[in-house]
Amino acid sequence: GDSVTQMEGPVTLSEEAFLTINCTYTATGYPSLFWYVQYPGEGLQLLLKATKADDKGSNKGFEATYRKETTSFHLEKGSVQVSDSAVYFCALDSNYQLIWGAGTKLIIKP
Amino acid sequence: GAGVSQTPSNKVTEKGKYVELRCDPISGHTALYWYRQSLGQGPEFLIYFQGTGAADDSGLPNDRFFAVRPEGSVSTLKIQRTERGDSAVYLCASSLAGPGGNTEAFFGQGTRLTVV
Repeated sequence: GDSVTQMEGPVTLSEEAFLTINCTYTATGYPSLFWYVQYPGEGLQLLLKATKADDKGSNKGFEATYRKETTSFHLEKGSVQVSDSAVYFCALDSNYQLIWGAGTKLIIKP
Repeated sequence: GAGVSQTPSNKVTEKGKYVELRCDPISGHTALYWYRQSLGQGPEFLIYFQGTGAADDSGLPNDRFFAVRPEGSVSTLKIQRTERGDSAVYLCASSLAGPGGNTEAFFGQGTRLTVV
C-alpha cells in the first residue's frame, strides 16, 4: 500500500541555518503531497502542498518540490528561525485518507 | 466555529470502561475524518464521513470502535471496553469537500486518551 518515509529526528540547527527534511513516498498513481506542521501545544496545520509532478509548494519561507522521478517531496528553508521549532509531517492523499510519515522534530537554537 | 473543536482535551479512563470523544467541525464542512496518533508516530486513519454517512471506516481497528455523525455536523467517536493499547491522541479533521488534494483538512487539537 501507499506509504511515506521521512527522516528521523530530532534535527537540531542553529538559527539562520539551511534546513532540509527528507521525505520519500510510495504510491500507486499520482497523489497530492503535503507538509503539515505541529507547533508545541497546537494542532496540525497545513504548511504547504503540491498536487502534481514538478509543482512547488511554498509558505512561510518553506518550499518543497514534487519529484516524480525520485518519488520525493523534501522540505527546505534557507534560513530557519527559533520560531520554526516544531514537528513536521509529510503526507500524501490516498483516496479517502492522508497517509503520514512518522514526523520529524526540528529544534532551532538561538 | 472558528476551527475544529475537540472535547475533552484530555481523558483518563480505567481499562474496560466506555468513552466518547466529540468533534465539532468547521461549520459547512461536509467531510470529517478521525485519526489516531501514538507517541512518536504520524497520525493513523480511522474513519471518514461525507455528510452523515461513513464513507470509509476501514481504519477502525476492531469492533470496539464506532463513530457517528447523525446530523452531518458533530461527530462522536465511541470506544467500548477500553484497553491500555487504546491510549493515544485522537485527532479530528474537517474539510469543505471530500479528498482529492484540492481542499485543505483542518485539524483539531486532539483528545489525549489515557487508559489506566
